[in-house]
Amino acid sequence: AQTVTQSQPEMSVQEAETVTLSCTYDTSESDYYLFWYKQPPSRQMILVIRQEAYKQQNATENRFSVNFQKAAKSFSLKISDSQLGDAAMYFCASINTGTASKLTFGTGTRLQVTL
Amino acid sequence: KAGVTQTPRYLIKTRGQQVTLSCSPISGHRSVSWYQQTPGQGLQFLFEYFSETQRNKGNFPGRFSGRQFSNSRSEMNVSTLELGDSALYLCASSLGFSADTQYFGPGTRLTVL
Repeated sequence: AQTVTQSQPEMSVQEAETVTLSCTYDTSESDYYLFWYKQPPSRQMILVIRQEAYKQQNATENRFSVNFQKAAKSFSLKISDSQLGDAAMYFCASINTGTASKLTFGTGTRLQVTL
Repeated sequence: KAGVTQTPRYLIKTRGQQVTLSCSPISGHRSVSWYQQTPGQGLQFLFEYFSETQRNKGNFPGRFSGRQFSNSRSEMNVSTLELGDSALYLCASSLGFSADTQYFGPGTRLTVL
């Protein structure tokens, strides 16, 4: 079974600063994908970034980047130049290629962005 | 392209009733997955439908069921509602290939009184 752990229930960052959200996962599979989703107060889950486990290069999407450490089973999200609109719940999730569309989510990290 | 849509957005039911939630995927997507989100249990996978067939199922009682139509729209049904079924129900669509990115709808907030 897969597990995803987010050990930071809440984080706070000042506008324009950088923050890193932590995530660890556990899987016995060799082929899997990792995701970060953002859930703002509207409750709509929005994809932030996706990482294929077979790729060594860390994924990047504009101000969002990941630090994927496969051996340590760690998948942290770095948000640079934080903006007020980044305030949301952030969920780390994983999926094994063998289980089709079954995402396993962590418990989430609530990110506050202050002026 | 239009995103994933879910109807209704809010529902209030009483214990013992049944409820049907609907999800329309992104055009061209053939897979629809359903998730339950509660403060206590977090986000949990309910089931996934692909080409009108249930392809994957989470650990929920048989009161939770679903189906998918030929146009890929999906419905989820919960019978004999319990207070603990109060949750945000999210559906997500994808192309349906292995580990495709899932795109989520806005959710249906179900309150059971």
